[in-house]
Amino acid sequence: AQSVTQLDSHVSVSEGTPVLLRCNYSSSYSPSLFWYVQHPNKGLQLLLKYTSAATLVKGINGFEAEFKKSETSFHLTKPSAHMSDAAEYFCVVSDRITGNQFYFGTGTSLTVIP
Amino acid sequence: NAGVMQNPRHLVRRRGQEARLRCSPMKGHSHVYWYRQLPEEGLKFMVYLQKENIIDESGMPKERFSAEFPKEGPSILRIQQVVRGDSAAYFCASSPARPRGTEAFFGQGTRLTVV
Repeated sequence: AQSVTQLDSHVSVSEGTPVLLRCNYSSSYSPSLFWYVQHPNKGLQLLLKYTSAATLVKGINGFEAEFKKSETSFHLTKPSAHMSDAAEYFCVVSDRITGNQFYFGTGTSLTVIP
Repeated sequence: NAGVMQNPRHLVRRRGQEARLRCSPMKGHSHVYWYRQLPEEGLKFMVYLQKENIIDESGMPKERFSAEFPKEGPSILRIQQVVRGDSAAYFCASSPARPRGTEAFFGQGTRLTVV
């Protein structure tokens, strides 16, 4: 069975400082992992994805994530936060071999302080 | 290439009425997923459909809810006899293949309010 745990429901950072949003996953087989961002009253936009190639994945808007199998983690980082990064972030897992759905974490709300 | 289109964006229904939510997947995508998002919560899987087939409906409530994805036309999520607890944002997503290495593309959602 697949599941995702987002370790922080709220993260607050100052503009210009690094962002770290934590995600741990559980997957029976070979996971595909994704980060999506949701701005208020909007749909979800894909930030980046891991599907078995390079373990360090670069996404849009300066975000990146590293797949660490030994730690079952897929943390999202950004070197310098921008005000426009304030949003809800979801870590998502599916199974690359048998997957029939995408499993969402409960989300992390990112606040950027000017 | 237009993205996933959901309509209506906002829907208000009185208790006991029916709600019909439509989703047109991205061009070339034959796999559709419906998710429900309650306030302050993540997205909960409801159903996964491929053209004319329900692949996984493990997240669908047993009563009042149904989904279809006909050969022609959009996917429809239907909620009969709505209750206040059905108020939520309903998101549709599509993908070109099964969720095994491919990502899903999401629509803007339909926000259902039951009064």
